Amino acid sequence: QVQLVQSGAEVKKPGASVKVSCKASGDTFTAYYMHWVRQAPGQGLEWMGWIDPNSGGTNYVQKFQGRVTMTRDTSISTAYMELSRLRSDDTAVYYCARRPPSADYVFFDYWGQGTLVTVSS
Amino acid sequence: EFVLTQSPGTLSLSPGERATLSCRASQSVSSSYLAWYQQKPGQAPRLLIYGASSRATGIPDRFSGSGSGTDFTLTISRLEPEDFAVYYCQQYGSSLLTFGGGTKVEIK
Repeated sequence: QVQLVQSGAEVKKPGASVKVSCKASGDTFTAYYMHWVRQAPGQGLEWMGWIDPNSGGTNYVQKFQGRVTMTRDTSISTAYMELSRLRSDDTAVYYCARRPPSADYVFFDYWGQGTLVTVSS
Repeated sequence: EFVLTQSPGTLSLSPGERATLSCRASQSVSSSYLAWYQQKPGQAPRLLIYGASSRATGIPDRFSGSGSGTDFTLTISRLEPEDFAVYYCQQYGSSLLTFGGGTKVEIK
């Protein structure tokens, strides 16, 4: 069955960087765009962007441009999201989420379990 | 800026009752790009509906989606105890993806 397994919780100081991993199994890793979504404590969902695991192409929300980098390692079916220059308001649960390749629809059928990133001095 | 507004913010209902959740877009949305998710505390969101009205695999038929243009609705025909959760709508357009602020369905 399809699984997206993310790396464990992180605690970082303001100004530092964090890199979260998302390992996919149960299907062809390069067939599905991987998106990243975050959720601050008690808040709603915020889309950050995506990576095409096949080409490495990316699309980032303007808000995160210059601070976020999404990469992948196809040899181990893993996507990464690195966020730099962390601030306290980056404290959130970060999710990877898979989008099926259909051009007719846009939705996320599988999600990782989430990675809590806490930014605190 | 594209905005999805969900209402009400909180819906207090009893098991067995019908729940009607609204998602209103600031601009017209392609129905193909409108989805609904359920999220329980401490869990990742779970896909319920895609293409505005198609149920995802394994989703019970008490969940249904409808709407077009700027107004979309998620209906739960008879609430089961496991349905009390937060629900989000999501749209995609002009290379941007947006979530609504969520509706919490709580036990009355």
